[in-house]
Amino acid sequence: QVTLKESGPGILQPSQTLSLTCTFSGFSLSTYGMGVGWIRQPSGKGLEWLANIWWDDDKYYNPSLKNRLTISKDTSNNQAFLKITNVDTADTATYYCARIDPLLSVDYWGQGVMVTVSS
Amino acid sequence: DTVLTQSPALAVSPGERVTISCRASESVSTRMHWYQQKPGQQPKLLIYGASNLESGVPARFSGSGSGTDFTLTIDPVEANDTATYFCQQSWNDPTFGGGTKLELK
Repeated sequence: QVTLKESGPGILQPSQTLSLTCTFSGFSLSTYGMGVGWIRQPSGKGLEWLANIWWDDDKYYNPSLKNRLTISKDTSNNQAFLKITNVDTADTATYYCARIDPLLSVDYWGQGVMVTVSS
Repeated sequence: DTVLTQSPALAVSPGERVTISCRASESVSTRMHWYQQKPGQQPKLLIYGASNLESGVPARFSGSGSGTDFTLTIDPVEANDTATYFCQQSWNDPTFGGGTKLELK
């Protein structure tokens, strides 16, 4: 049974760095073809693909946010991480961790963690 | 960016057939996927690779299309299909459509 769960700070101030953790089970990020990604959704709005990381440590970043994003993984502890630097109110959203399949569809989603950027 | 355009909303009666469309600004081959999102929940994968039904998803759901025009069909629609449906392409940098909110009459 595949599960993913996100954790994060809840609220942070503009210009700070957002650090998110995804803890997953039911699969291994050391398995060929496996990937984990981060997708966000502002309240009442659409979805935005942020970044993903593959079993071989290959990484993809959304070009519009690339300079601010860092994705990483800890395979031995079944975790993936995302950092977003210099946040502002536009980064307020629910952030989802997701398992990515080789077609780059999302076959499993976490429940999401809400992040608010406010001064 | 590959822009995916969806109609904002549809209203149908239970038992009817509904088609939800997604048009891409450039060809995405068959790298189109569909998700269902109910209020307060995470999205759920329904269809991958344009026409492949995800395991555990009822056969009432089907997908078709290639290139720039894609369709998600629900036949027949049931009351608990009330949700927002998103398309997503993965041929280019991954992007999502704006979503189609399906309401039941």
